[in-house]
Amino acid sequence: GDSVTQMEGPVTLSEEAFLTINCTYTATGYPSLFWYVQYPGEGLQLLLKATKADDKGSNKGFEATYRKETTSFHLEKGSVQVSDSAVYFCALSAASGGYQKVTFGIGTKLQVIP
Amino acid sequence: GAVVSQHPSWVICKSGTSVKIECRSLDFQATTMFWYRQFPKQSLMLMATSNEGSKATYEQGVEKDKFLINHASLTLSTLTVTSAHPEDSSFYICSARENSYGYTFGSGTRLTVV
Repeated sequence: GDSVTQMEGPVTLSEEAFLTINCTYTATGYPSLFWYVQYPGEGLQLLLKATKADDKGSNKGFEATYRKETTSFHLEKGSVQVSDSAVYFCALSAASGGYQKVTFGIGTKLQVIP
Repeated sequence: GAVVSQHPSWVICKSGTSVKIECRSLDFQATTMFWYRQFPKQSLMLMATSNEGSKATYEQGVEKDKFLINHASLTLSTLTVTSAHPEDSSFYICSARENSYGYTFGSGTRLTVV
């Protein structure tokens, strides 16, 4: 079945540091790829998405590029802020049994210290 | 953007009682909604897919008699945890697919069974 593998956290960075959270996937067909963010005590919010190979999703300074050849969708940000502290989930959406099914990675906790 | 409202945000109940969680799409119609469960330090696990006007499709290992799902209208799906026990304590999140925005998640419900 489909699966998403992402690095386990926590990842601790100083403010203004460069962020990379790795994500790789396995899926049949051509899935859409997503990054979701979960702030403490809240639900998930869509951060960015890409629907086909070589697409780059971007939002709030975060970027991720859909790499079909390496089956990856790594999340990057050039300069993190304390407010970016949250749990980040990589996910894919693919057709399964007549509907779209979303598969999540385990989530990576990011802690940004001043 | 598309908004999904989930209530309650937290609930404490006694063992043996039932709890109902509501998920509403506020500004779009959702023929399909998804219910997830999140254990501490783990990823979201899909429990079931809720289809308006028909029976829900449950994932393997999820007890359909324990987790009752009703999707009576295009904007409302409910999850009822029947005869709750402490092991049912978890974070439950619903989501709906809105074509323009992809998957939109509710804010989640933290259930504590005492």
